[in-house]
Amino acid sequence: DIVMTQSPDSLAVSLGERATINCKSSQSVLYSSNNKNCLAWYQQKPGQPPKLLIYWASTRESWVPDRFSGSGSGTDFTLTISNLQAEDVAVYYCQQYYSSATFGQGTRLEIK
Amino acid sequence: EVQLVESGGGLVQPGGSLRLSCAASGFISTSHWMHWVRQVPGKGLVWVSRINGDGGTTNYADSVRGRFTISRDNAKNTVYLQMNSLRAEESAVYYCARGLYGGASVFDYWGQGSLVTVSS
Repeated sequence: DIVMTQSPDSLAVSLGERATINCKSSQSVLYSSNNKNCLAWYQQKPGQPPKLLIYWASTRESWVPDRFSGSGSGTDFTLTISNLQAEDVAVYYCQQYYSSATFGQGTRLEIK
Repeated sequence: EVQLVESGGGLVQPGGSLRLSCAASGFISTSHWMHWVRQVPGKGLVWVSRINGDGGTTNYADSVRGRFTISRDNAKNTVYLQMNSLRAEESAVYYCARGLYGGASVFDYWGQGSLVTVSS
C-alpha cells in the first residue's frame, strides 16, 4: 500500500496569513498515461463529511475559492491556503488514488 | 442536486452482521463508481470498497476482503455494504461516496455517514 504522510499534524495561522500543509507519498503517484499526479485534498469540518477541494494535485473543484491551491509532483505535495479566513478552520486530508486509495493522517488547521 | 443518504447503521455484537444502504439521487448512478469510506470518530479516513456503474466490478481493502460485500441496485439507485464477522475495531462512521469520473477513486460527493458500533 502507498503510505501518505502529512506534516504538520496541526498548525495555527493568523487570519489573513498563509497556511501550508505538506503531504508525502511512499512512492510516486504520477500517472504516466496522462502525466498527472493522482493526488487529492479534502477539507473536513466538525460533524461533517469530507469535501473534495483539489484533485490531480492542482485542479480545484468549482466551489473552492482560489485562495486554495495545490502543487507538487511525484511524491511531494503541498496545499496552500492564502489569506486565511475563519471558515477555513478544519482538518485537511491528502489522498492518493494511483493505487487503490489511501489517505494521510490529517492536518488540523486552527486560527492563531 | 446530488444527494447520498446512508442508513442501516447501529449497534452489533462482535462477529455479527449489518447491511448499510446508500440511496443516491440527483445524478445518473450508472455513470459513477460508488465507494464506502470509514472513519473512526476523531481519527482518519480509510477506504473500504468500491463498485463500478453496472455492478460487475468490485474491489475491497485487504482488511475487509472476504467479510464485506458491496453491491448495487441501479433500479433503486442504491448501493449496499453487507458487513459480516464484524470486529470491535471496525466501529466507525461509514460514508458512502461518489467517484468523480472514470475509475479514479476521487470522492466528489459524500453522504452524512452511518455510525456502526461493534460492541458486546
